[in-house]
Amino acid sequence: DAGVTQSPTHLIKTRGQQVTLRCSPKSGHDTVSWYQQALGQGPQFIFQYYEEEERQRGNFPDRFSGHQFPNYSSELNVNALLLGDSALYLCASSPSPGSGELFFGEGSRLTVL
Amino acid sequence: GENVEQHPSTLSVQEGDSAVIKCTYSDSASNYFPWYKQELGKRPQLIIDIRSNVGEKKDQRIAVTLNKTAKHFSLHITETQPEDSAVYFCAASLLSGGSYIPTFGRGTSLIVHP
Repeated sequence: DAGVTQSPTHLIKTRGQQVTLRCSPKSGHDTVSWYQQALGQGPQFIFQYYEEEERQRGNFPDRFSGHQFPNYSSELNVNALLLGDSALYLCASSPSPGSGELFFGEGSRLTVL
Repeated sequence: GENVEQHPSTLSVQEGDSAVIKCTYSDSASNYFPWYKQELGKRPQLIIDIRSNVGEKKDQRIAVTLNKTAKHFSLHITETQPEDSAVYFCAASLLSGGSYIPTFGRGTSLIVHP
């Protein structure tokens, strides 16, 4: 049973560019959430997708957007990259929005130069 | 919004000792409290969780306690082993619009010396 998979694992961008990160949830899960984890910090909630809609959003600007596809996979897009966007971006899936338990992927390490 | 404080930031113990990590939260509506272990370069993994209708939960060498009145919860690891070395994150989760939204602590780096 494949767990949560994310791609790419590492990427380097320059300020002002745009990035797209991808996530496939654990088999049987229909809810995907995205988190930003800065170095030495806990994960910060960006948003949650369920039934192809954004259900909840954390305190992140509109430069952060996402999408969920009919097969439950998801993308995170960040526009107009800033140096401060450098972080590990974690995707987590759960069997439903109200289950609470998160299964994380290995993350995508974004470096903005 | 919810605010979670976690202490200590670093904890160093000898193999076989016990380790305790403490978290406090601010929103009394939070009712689900998971703990995650993140080894270096790996994904966070759920190790134990507790809901607000329970005061204590144990799973082998790991236990979690919750004091709703004081709004704090703790992770207890007994008979620590070198493989317990990792960063541990607590979280307080709030059910909002049918979705659990967690707020994480800043993490505790546990080092177990052989």
